Amino acid sequence: QLHLQESGPGLVKPSETLSLTCVVSGAFIRDSTDYWGWIRQPPGKGLEWIGSIYSSGTTYYNPSLESRVTISVSENQFSLRVRSVTATDTAVYYCARLRYRLYFYDFDWWGQGALVTVSS
Amino acid sequence: QSVLTQPPSVSGAPGQRVTIACTGSSSNIGAGYDVHWYQQFPGTAPKLLMYGNNNRPSGVPDRISGSKSGTSASLAIIGLQAEDEADYYCQSYDSSLTAVVFGGGTKLTVL
Repeated sequence: QLHLQESGPGLVKPSETLSLTCVVSGAFIRDSTDYWGWIRQPPGKGLEWIGSIYSSGTTYYNPSLESRVTISVSENQFSLRVRSVTATDTAVYYCARLRYRLYFYDFDWWGQGALVTVSS
Repeated sequence: QSVLTQPPSVSGAPGQRVTIACTGSSSNIGAGYDVHWYQQFPGTAPKLLMYGNNNRPSGVPDRISGSKSGTSASLAIIGLQAEDEADYYCQSYDSSLTAVVFGGGTKLTVL
């Protein structure tokens, strides 16, 4: 049984950096053939993929956010940093396992989500 | 504006059949990328409901099915139950954007 848990500050000031960590239990990231990713959901809105990382450290980012986002992996956790945040970055941030095969990308395990509010 | 288009809402009475459409383009669904569906209840994380167009994860009842044709996909629920009331999202990959993409979501109301 896989379990993912997000953690990090729930309040970030505008122009600062949002940082979240996702701890994985029930599987070892280094042994996995899957990717690990971040998805966010602004209040009352839909889902947006932020980016994903492989155990080797290879990353893929949503082009719309790539200039401000960094995803990294260490031990059995992976992290998200979003720089220069504004109110539009206020959202519930989810971490999830991304299964990848040819022509196939899905998120089969999700964390419970962490609400991050950008406000002064 | 989402890359994958879904109706904002659908509704049906208990016992009825409802379908939720997901319309894409030649760079995502039409390019052969699989479509996946997620179910989300208020205040909770999305849950994988259908993967690889028409495969149900363990625990998902067989009254829920998925299909894909051309540049579109759909999720069908027969024998609608009150517990099906939730938000539903389709998801695929877009080769032009080089990004995982989601539909805007559909709110299913059981009347």
